[in-house]
Amino acid sequence: TQLLEQSPQFLSIQEGENLTVYCNSSSVFSSLQWYRQEPGEGPVLLVTVVTGGEVKKLKRLTFQFGDARKDSSLHITAAQPGDTGLYLCAGDPWDSNYQLIWGAGTKLIIKP
Amino acid sequence: KAGVTQTPRYLIKTRGQQVTLSCSPISGHRSVSWYQQTPGQGLQFLFEYFSETQRNKGNFPGRFSGRQFSNSRSEMNVSTLELGDSALYLCASSSTARGTEAFFGQGTRLTVV
Repeated sequence: TQLLEQSPQFLSIQEGENLTVYCNSSSVFSSLQWYRQEPGEGPVLLVTVVTGGEVKKLKRLTFQFGDARKDSSLHITAAQPGDTGLYLCAGDPWDSNYQLIWGAGTKLIIKP
Repeated sequence: KAGVTQTPRYLIKTRGQQVTLSCSPISGHRSVSWYQQTPGQGLQFLFEYFSETQRNKGNFPGRFSGRQFSNSRSEMNVSTLELGDSALYLCASSSTARGTEAFFGQGTRLTVV
């Protein structure tokens, strides 16, 4: 069974602090996506990483794909209350099942 | 370009009834996936369709079924509703053949009483 483990499950920090969310697996993925979901809404795609070691930046968010394409991290610099939400990672295992493998999510709260 | 549209947004049903949820994908997207999301379980995969063919199905009972039409619109049906079916049902469409880079609708909040 392919799993994506996200950590931490919950994070509550003050505005202006930095944080990192991790997404780990023993499986190799052909690509990995990060999503952010707000209460009562569907997840919104933030980024897709494809190449091992790839780093992508989206304003204050930095996404990295592990060299072996088994793990990924999301780093937020100077977090703001607008960053509050549920962050989900999802990997494409490149098999015949056409099913993304999802992490359980990291609930992030940024306090003003 | 219009996003993924799910209808209805909210639904209240009684145990034993059946329900049909609708999803209109982004124009040109042929892959449609359905998920159930509950507070303690995260996103649970229901099924995925591509060009009217179900390519994969998650571990849900046969009460959960779906279909996709030639215009890529999709419906999912839940028969004999149980209290535990109360959840946010999300539909996602993708332009990729593998169904990655999913674009989600706002979901249908189903409450079974």
